[in-house]
Amino acid sequence: EAQVTQNPRYLITVTGKKLTVTCSQNMNHEYMSWYRQDPGLGLRQIYYSMNVEVTDKGDVPEGYKVSRKEKRNFPLILESPSPNQTSLYFCASSLGRGQKYEQYFGPGTRLTVT
Amino acid sequence: KQEVTQIPAALSVPEGENLVLNCSFTDSAIYNLQWFRQDPGKGLTSLLLIQSSQREQTSGRLNASLDKSSGRSTLYIAASQPGDSATYLCAVRRNYGGATNKLIFGTGTLLAVQP
Repeated sequence: EAQVTQNPRYLITVTGKKLTVTCSQNMNHEYMSWYRQDPGLGLRQIYYSMNVEVTDKGDVPEGYKVSRKEKRNFPLILESPSPNQTSLYFCASSLGRGQKYEQYFGPGTRLTVT
Repeated sequence: KQEVTQIPAALSVPEGENLVLNCSFTDSAIYNLQWFRQDPGKGLTSLLLIQSSQREQTSGRLNASLDKSSGRSTLYIAASQPGDSATYLCAVRRNYGGATNKLIFGTGTLLAVQP
């Protein structure tokens, strides 16, 4: 089944403890991105990747890192999480980077930082 | 800067009623507009995608319209059912050279269909 998977689905952590949220897609998609969703603010793009080893900042990249060493994986790294990073995170992928390609979303990861 | 607004933020209707969800955007230079459905714990499901050259798209009981010049889109749901209860999001893609596949989302409308 074609899908985008994220792990973990739920995570509660403490301030400053490094964590990684994994994202994997099995559709051989070139483009992958991370969004965060907050009440009243909608989904906002954090980082995106147009292909292996090609990543760039989205609208809210502060406090996050990403890597794209393999085409299928696009982990989101929080080196020193803070409470304002408590949010619902979505990974998405599309066949190409252009606007015509439909994006497929993962199920989301709910992160709480205390 | 493109801003996307959805009104109302929440809506409750009795089963069987027809309803309209609204989406407005500030910059008419869009490539396309997409409506999603969000269910708790299940991510986003694409419902309809309207290209900037199109006026509407239909899928089953759903009909989405686009008026690019006025910066508006509507999602019409006919004969609503309790299973339609979810959050509905609209999102636009910008139309300019070098644009990537970034979606700019509205804040959503939480729909509850009462049996």
